[in-house]
Amino acid sequence: AQTVTQSQPEMSVQEAETVTLSCTYDTSESDYYLFWYKQPPSRQMILVIRQEAYKQQNATENRFSVNFQKAAKSFSLKISDSQLGDAAMYFCAYRSPSGGTSYGKLTFGQGTILTVHP
Amino acid sequence: NAGVTQTPKFQVLKTGQSMTLQCAQDMNHEYMSWYRQDPGMGLRLIHYSVGAGITDQGEVPNGYNVSRSTTEDFPLRLLSAAPSQTSVYFCASSRRGSSGANVLTFGAGSRLTVL
Repeated sequence: AQTVTQSQPEMSVQEAETVTLSCTYDTSESDYYLFWYKQPPSRQMILVIRQEAYKQQNATENRFSVNFQKAAKSFSLKISDSQLGDAAMYFCAYRSPSGGTSYGKLTFGQGTILTVHP
Repeated sequence: NAGVTQTPKFQVLKTGQSMTLQCAQDMNHEYMSWYRQDPGMGLRLIHYSVGAGITDQGEVPNGYNVSRSTTEDFPLRLLSAAPSQTSVYFCASSRRGSSGANVLTFGAGSRLTVL
């Protein structure tokens, strides 16, 4: 079974600065998908960014980018120009592509609470 | 377009009571699933379904039942609530197909407290 580890329970950043959230995972599969989800105080789960393991290029979505190191099984999230609205819990998640029943099954990390200071 | 709708948003139960968390989606998604979120443990999969009439267990299925009689609905039943089931519950759905369509859409969550 796959496991996902987020070793930073809490992180903080000054507004307009850059912060990196860490995520490592364990798998024996060669092809898979990785995700970062944001959960603000409203509790809603919001997809931030997605990475396909077969793509070497790191995914980018505006101020959010990832550093995907497949050999090291590492998937960190970098938030540039942090804004007050970025304050939330962030979850790293893994999904296996194998088999028709895999699409709805995500394995989540423990989460990292991000605080943004004005 | 409502997406994934969960009801109720909040519920307090006494130990031993039963209840059903409702989940409905209007996106014609084949896959539906239930997760529970507990502090320090992230989200853990309870049960999932790949289509009407088909369900399977996830990581933490004990104490929960599900059924999938229609594509739209996927209720989660607690037959005899226990304090260990105090949690926030999320329903999520997705479509099969290309990788771009496989992103899970989550409901707003249901906070359950068992006394």
